[in-house]
Amino acid sequence: GAGVSQSPSNKVTEKGKDVELRCDPISGHTALYWYRQSLGQGLEFLIYFQGNSAPDKSGLPSDRFSAERTGGSVSTLTIQRTQQEDSAVYLCASSLTGQKLFFGSGTQLSVL
Amino acid sequence: GQSLEQPSEVTAVEGAIVQINCTYQTSGFYGLSWYQQHDGGAPTFLSYNALDGLEETGRFSSFLSRSDSYGYLLLQELQMKDSASYFCAVDSSGSARQLTFGSGTQLTVLP
Repeated sequence: GAGVSQSPSNKVTEKGKDVELRCDPISGHTALYWYRQSLGQGLEFLIYFQGNSAPDKSGLPSDRFSAERTGGSVSTLTIQRTQQEDSAVYLCASSLTGQKLFFGSGTQLSVL
Repeated sequence: GQSLEQPSEVTAVEGAIVQINCTYQTSGFYGLSWYQQHDGGAPTFLSYNALDGLEETGRFSSFLSRSDSYGYLLLQELQMKDSASYFCAVDSSGSARQLTFGSGTQLTVLP
């Protein structure tokens, strides 16, 4: 595609439910990142995928968070047993060189 | 750990020049990036400095001093559309594996 695509753009869920967020990176980009952005804040690193290497999961805030990347392309971020503090915008980015990241428009997650 | 500091807000008028500073403390350093983010939008890449000095791209320039752990983004001939948040980010891994972002500077351009 022309850019990084994320879905859904908005997700409202109840506390305790599981959610899945999807990211379609730019075709050919080997690196894929997930970030989280709370209102008025900077971007918090969550997880990084590079090719077939083991992902860097060091930014995941708890074991309720997990992510996978299938076939080196599409990625899914899963949050289990959502909590209100999980409410944020979840941003996906992809890159070819690592020096320039292309971001999607994000998924606004609201946990009620 | 890593930490970046940048002003939370800057205000300027159309046509003016504004400089947004960023100081950082990181365990490793490979480069400093700048991203622009309009309200409700995706961050977009502006520049990347790996070496000391000034890089110019149109109305925007970015500067880096590795010895001072300091950089800045310079915006010239400000336009209303430049009103946005600007984030500096440090690449401490050499592969942008973990870009560490600052909290952002909200730039407001007044007519």
